[in-house]
Amino acid sequence: LAKTTQPISMDSYEGQEVNITCSHNNIATNDYITWYQQFPSQGPRFIIQGYKTKVTNEVASLFIPADRKSSTLSLPRVSLSDTAVYYCLVGPLIYNQGGKLIFGQGTELSVKP
Amino acid sequence: AAGVIQSPRHLMKEKRETATLKCYPIPRHDTVYWYQQGPGQDPQFLISFYEKMQSDKGSIPDRFSAQQFSDYHSELNMSSLELGDSALYFCASSLSSGGIGTDTQYFGPGTRLTVL
Repeated sequence: LAKTTQPISMDSYEGQEVNITCSHNNIATNDYITWYQQFPSQGPRFIIQGYKTKVTNEVASLFIPADRKSSTLSLPRVSLSDTAVYYCLVGPLIYNQGGKLIFGQGTELSVKP
Repeated sequence: AAGVIQSPRHLMKEKRETATLKCYPIPRHDTVYWYQQGPGQDPQFLISFYEKMQSDKGSIPDRFSAQQFSDYHSELNMSSLELGDSALYFCASSLSSGGIGTDTQYFGPGTRLTVL
């Protein structure tokens, strides 16, 4: 699975847009990009997944450039409750019926009032 | 919507004791995964099962074993517990039908194991 690199931490204020960029230079052709959110002492929660260009859901947007060597998770108008660790994962979408998720070091987002 | 259920939520054991963690996947999900997250660490994959058969294995100690039962629930058995086994243990489930998006893993609330 492709190795990912994210900032260790980020600070923001309520109401701002937050963009977290993940580098994955060795992404394979059949790899998808998935983001998870984790609150302290809770299980990771799926946020968004994409392959190329832009994906948007009710929670976030995911921007993937043409070379797919990086991706940016965009959280619009964050609130205090968005304070969490955000993980970028890269791997084949079809995890071969039980394939593992490899969590690298996530980004600890701190939203301040 | 129904989520992954894990029990117990908290467990305290002495060194060298045995512990059993249980996981009940989302209804109709056929794949179960176990992850371990130590204090200040990222989740680490332990083992997974698809249709009651082990499908992938990570850094799971030989002292640990797991299985998936006919009703798709799974149990993680941990023997000869060590202080270093103190961690959050997450179970996740997915529906591996081969379609787009169907392999998204949904995590349970976790079991916090404390070994004294």
